[in-house]
Amino acid sequence: QKEVEQNSGPLSVPEGAIASLNCTYSDRGSQSFFWYRQYSGKSPELIMSIYSNGDKEDGRFTAQLNKASQYVSLLIRDSQPSDSATYLCAVKRGNAGNMLTFGGGTRLMVKP
Amino acid sequence: EAGVTQFPSHSVIEKGQTVTLRCDPISGHDNLYWYRRVMGKEIKFLLHFVKESKQDESGMPNNRFLAERTGGTYSTLKVQPAELEDSGVYFCASSQGPQGPVSGNTIYFGEGSWLTVV
Repeated sequence: QKEVEQNSGPLSVPEGAIASLNCTYSDRGSQSFFWYRQYSGKSPELIMSIYSNGDKEDGRFTAQLNKASQYVSLLIRDSQPSDSATYLCAVKRGNAGNMLTFGGGTRLMVKP
Repeated sequence: EAGVTQFPSHSVIEKGQTVTLRCDPISGHDNLYWYRRVMGKEIKFLLHFVKESKQDESGMPNNRFLAERTGGTYSTLKVQPAELEDSGVYFCASSQGPQGPVSGNTIYFGEGSWLTVV
């Protein structure tokens, strides 16, 4: 079992729709959760971080965390073609320094 | 402000040769990390420097890999001798401090060095 699992996609949504990206993790000691966006050939860019159960909203992005179910998700409202990218879920144990454990990423395609 | 820069962006070498990858972190960032993504796999942690000291090198695959950060500024990652399975993208990242809820620090990634071993 992978430590962090994501559906590789591609996830295709029409422009203006809500894109829902999901991630599950196996380590119950994980305490910090991050979503990175990566355009092809570019660097991963942090777009959301979440540390406690519930929802966290930032603009068109909402991260949701459920530690009991070991599940974290990212919702993108009013999806735009510019949101087309690979979205990487990463988790960190509380006492594991700064080591991030990544999922394989979900490729999102937003069609005009 | 310049981001994390990596050199070379692409490298093709023969099996058995040596390659040295360089990373320049964001100025003032004491924390420097190396990650890599081999074909079809997820991005995996290699090691973490705090200034010039290796804080965690648990992800280094074997002794063919040597990372250094002399003077606590730029870092190099040398692969000697390179094997076919070393092909992939090597990412460098940096941060001022731990990425977490208290510090508010962010880990910034470079665009990666693409290594192909033939």
